[in-house]
Amino acid sequence: NAGVTQTPKFRILKIGQSMTLQCTQDMNHNYMYWYRQDPGMGLKLIYYSVGAGITDKGEVPNGYNVSRSTTEDFPLRLELAAPSQTSVYFCASSYPGQQKETQYFGPGTRLLVL
Amino acid sequence: KNEVEQSPQNLTAQEGEFITINCSYSVGISALHWLQQHPGGGIVSLFMLSSGKKKHGRLIATINIQEKHSSLHITASHPRDSAVYICAVGYGGATNKLIFGTGTLLAVQP
Repeated sequence: NAGVTQTPKFRILKIGQSMTLQCTQDMNHNYMYWYRQDPGMGLKLIYYSVGAGITDKGEVPNGYNVSRSTTEDFPLRLELAAPSQTSVYFCASSYPGQQKETQYFGPGTRLLVL
Repeated sequence: KNEVEQSPQNLTAQEGEFITINCSYSVGISALHWLQQHPGGGIVSLFMLSSGKKKHGRLIATINIQEKHSSLHITASHPRDSAVYICAVGYGGATNKLIFGTGTLLAVQP
């Protein structure tokens, strides 16, 4: 199993540009999450999904959108990039069951908005 | 005040030392997690516990639900233990959402 994969690893965007951060997991996990990590701050939840077709906002959803058309994929969309969205983005997944609360993280995407 | 507080923020130790990292929380939780973030950025789950104590190799995690406090101990520390250790608490019931502490940066010197 590859686990949770994210692309790209690093991206520079200009203010106002759009992009999609990709996240895929091959563990058949129902739950998926997007976090951002800023220096000196704990990870913050952007959006989450409990299954295909079901998404909901986390703590810091403004400026982002998500979709979940399949169990495997959970892309995060930035429509109009702003410098405040410079951050490291992590995708995670978990499976409701015996180990339901362990989250498995992707390697992260470092985004710089200039 | 953050809902999850870790201490210390930074810790430098000599190889072989016993290390303790503390986590206090102020919300009702379903479970407490300890995670490790390596210098390369990857995050891995070390422990998930809701009571008592868990041990994995040289790592031990304890939780006191009444005092809303958890500790992560590393015995016989080694330079490869150098990383950021993150405490997170689970809330939101079935959604398994987490609130994260800001992390403790540990450097173990040879």
